[in-house]
Amino acid sequence: SYELTQPLSVSVALGQTARITCGGNNIGSKNVHWYQQKPGQAPVLVIYRDTNRPSGIPERFSGSNSGNTATLTISRAQAGDEADYYCQVWDSSTVLFGGGTKLTVL
Amino acid sequence: EVQLVESGGGLVQPGGSLRLSCAASGFTFSSDWMSWVRQAPGKGLEWVANIKQDGSEKYYVDSVKGRFTISRDNAKSSLNLQMNSLRAEDTAVYYCARDLGWGEWLDPWGQGTLVTVSS
Repeated sequence: SYELTQPLSVSVALGQTARITCGGNNIGSKNVHWYQQKPGQAPVLVIYRDTNRPSGIPERFSGSNSGNTATLTISRAQAGDEADYYCQVWDSSTVLFGGGTKLTVL
Repeated sequence: EVQLVESGGGLVQPGGSLRLSCAASGFTFSSDWMSWVRQAPGKGLEWVANIKQDGSEKYYVDSVKGRFTISRDNAKSSLNLQMNSLRAEDTAVYYCARDLGWGEWLDPWGQGTLVTVSS
């Protein structure tokens, strides 16, 4: 079965750039979507179809996807970006999530 | 405004049953797939099931096959999840979400309803 691998945690200094990866076999051939989840809240879509931002999501959030790795990039990180981030794909008629990455802004 | 509101969660004993509901508003409910996703305490997201617009296709994660049933009532803009033979490992917050379909994303999500399976 298909698996998505994310680092458990990523740290970034305030104002710097954070990169969160999502690994999977030939993931570049799939649509990858990203969600942000803050404590006690429901997940919120931040990137869809690899690179697209929903309305209301800051331009600081961007995505890429190639080969075996998809990446969520958060530029000029702010304290409010501290959250768990999940990647998501479809595979064999099912929806799959990565294990999630906790982003800490120092 | 698109809105999803779950209900029906609570405490249930192992082996028991529970029925979750999700009331949708602000979009044409009958035009979209819908999904249930759960999150065990302190854990990540796990997709549970989804259902096609007309209910003709339903898919489940292996761990709930034969125990959970997803259904929808397009006339009432309502999504349901019938959960039988509940186990301790089913304890989680259950979210409903609009599912944009094959290969696509889930957006938006409801606020979730907590299901606790314990004696």
